[in-house]
Amino acid sequence: GEDVEQSLFLSVREGDSSVINCTYTDSSSTYLYWYKQEPGAGLQLLTYIFSNMDMKQDQRLTVLLNKKDKHLSLRIADTQTGDSAIYFCAERGPTDSWGKLQFGAGTQVVVTP
Amino acid sequence: GAVVSQHPSWVICKSGTSVKIECRSLDFQATTMFWYRQFPKQSLMLMATSNEGSKATYEQGVEKDKFLINHASLTLSTLTVTSAHPEDSSFYICSASEGSTDTQYFGPGTRLTVL
Repeated sequence: GEDVEQSLFLSVREGDSSVINCTYTDSSSTYLYWYKQEPGAGLQLLTYIFSNMDMKQDQRLTVLLNKKDKHLSLRIADTQTGDSAIYFCAERGPTDSWGKLQFGAGTQVVVTP
Repeated sequence: GAVVSQHPSWVICKSGTSVKIECRSLDFQATTMFWYRQFPKQSLMLMATSNEGSKATYEQGVEKDKFLINHASLTLSTLTVTSAHPEDSSFYICSASEGSTDTQYFGPGTRLTVL
């Protein structure tokens, strides 16, 4: 079955870059997503990338996709204290799967002053 | 755009009662909505996929008679937890698919506590 894995914790200093990594197993993934969850809140969509793209940049966020290795990463430039949260990567399966997502366990990012 | 609301944001109920949670897409129509459950410090567990006008599709291990889902319109889906028990206490999150990419936008979640 499909599996999405992430490291569980990342500590980063304010102003530095953060890189959160994710691996997945489903080679038929169509889209891959990054969501952010703050305590007690729902998930906020940060960005997504189509599976035939290698990179996507959106302001401080850069997504890199290595489809051959099934590796996805999210880089946050100039990390701020407000970036402290749990970050989930998720993959969407083929078009006949009603858009169901498979989530990783989430990476807790802690930004220190 | 692409805002999803949930109501209530939190609810406390007695064991044996039923609780209804609403999920609304505020500025788009959602053919498909999803219901998730999240335990503390864990990822989201998909409970069911809800398509407007048809019966929901439940994930393995989720009791459809306990977690009733209704998707009566393109902007509203409801989850009713029937005869709630303390083990049903959890954070319930809905999402709605929007656009040609079927990107899921999530509601803020509902914290259910069953006493």
